[in-house]
Amino acid sequence: DIQVTQSPSSLSASVGDTVTVTCRPSQSVSDYLNWYQQKPGEAPKLLIYVASRLQSDFPSRFSASGSGTEFTLTIKYLQPDDSATYYCQQTYFRPHTFGQGTKLEIK
Amino acid sequence: VQLVESGGGLARPGESIRLSCAASGFFFPSYNMNWVRQAPGRGLECVAYIDSSSRTIFYADSVRGRFTISRDNAKSEVSLQLNSLRAEDTGVYYCVRNQNYGGVIPFSEYWGQGTQVTVSS
Repeated sequence: DIQVTQSPSSLSASVGDTVTVTCRPSQSVSDYLNWYQQKPGEAPKLLIYVASRLQSDFPSRFSASGSGTEFTLTIKYLQPDDSATYYCQQTYFRPHTFGQGTKLEIK
Repeated sequence: VQLVESGGGLARPGESIRLSCAASGFFFPSYNMNWVRQAPGRGLECVAYIDSSSRTIFYADSVRGRFTISRDNAKSEVSLQLNSLRAEDTGVYYCVRNQNYGGVIPFSEYWGQGTQVTVSS
């Protein structure tokens, strides 16, 4: 299975800050890379698809980029509601594997 | 779009459980479906995939030979039969609808609320 490594595994930031999460598949996945946001007790929500396309439910403070084996998710002007765990997922190879998640705490 | 899972519960190691997912609000026969699980305090794992016509099926190595995914397009249902359960199968199981951007690149916009499976003696 393709390994997907996310970093950092957790981070803490303040309201108004900008944070970046990195996702590195062990093989090139082109732009077959999605990001999900999950809050405790809830199902994951699609945030970004095809590496950089923002799902309509989310504000433009969220952005993502990358291709191949390196991808980033950036959240600007952090808000308290952004507190969640963020997962990337590659869908180029089966099974579609997820990163281990990045838990974002808003101070 | 709604995906409603059922069938979770408590089972002993070696026992079986059948999960079902009732889909509504979209034309079910057109979509590929996944089951994704999340162990307590852990990340997400795609355990099974079935395409729209049931011709293509994939399983994670961790469940192959023990779990069976199936679907009934007439009833808009997808199921997951979990046999020979192990403690490490404990988790929340999500029914997930796949769709393809540009007809090619898969992503999952719709998830059910999840059903809990607990395997313990």
